[in-house]
Amino acid sequence: DSGVTQTPKHLITATGQRVTLRCSPRSGDLSVYWYQQSLDQGLQFLIQYYNGEERAKGNILERFSAQQFPDLHSELNLSSLELGDSALYFCASSEGTGYPETQYFGPGTRLLVL
Amino acid sequence: AQSVTQLDSQVPVFEEAPVELRCNYSSSVSVYLFWYVQYPNQGLQLLLKYLSGSTLVESINGFEAEFNKSQTSFHLRKPSVHISDTAEYFCAVTEGGSEKLVFGKGTKLTVNP
Repeated sequence: DSGVTQTPKHLITATGQRVTLRCSPRSGDLSVYWYQQSLDQGLQFLIQYYNGEERAKGNILERFSAQQFPDLHSELNLSSLELGDSALYFCASSEGTGYPETQYFGPGTRLLVL
Repeated sequence: AQSVTQLDSQVPVFEEAPVELRCNYSSSVSVYLFWYVQYPNQGLQLLLKYLSGSTLVESINGFEAEFNKSQTSFHLRKPSVHISDTAEYFCAVTEGGSEKLVFGKGTKLTVNP
């Protein structure tokens, strides 16, 4: 158990809909990262937050957005969903004290868009 | 831009055989290297990492990896695998100054009895 929690574990929705994925980092970790794992693209970095502020952005679509709240949990919002958004979405956290850092991954949220 | 190549998408081996999972990276600056393991229906777990110092790093369950700067490689090895090692293994890299992980496509290791 990495100490990172993600909810829900599974999500089934329809095209055009909007969903919110939630992540709670390990106790004391200030940085949260979101990754997408799909069969064709593999594991791709989406976005990183540090202590409430966006720190780095990767291959995140404009339909997707994220935020980190004062209690340090984070949410990834996916809107206008398409079939191709079906994937496993991982959250990871790290201390945030400076690179290089070990990222600890949550169990993931499996999203299926029908 | 940095990238990671895992040359084998699938590696089947018999129990107690040695295994090597290959990983090459491309980067023009100093890098930090990681191997993560993903067991079926689970998240990623850190297996081992190279940050600096000794180029040979070991994990608690018998895996080791060697950082080779001249060959830009970070191959993962185990002298004798167990059925419980069946999983997907991901090589990842970060460049100095960046915290985002760039992953390879993964290698599925299947250990057969």
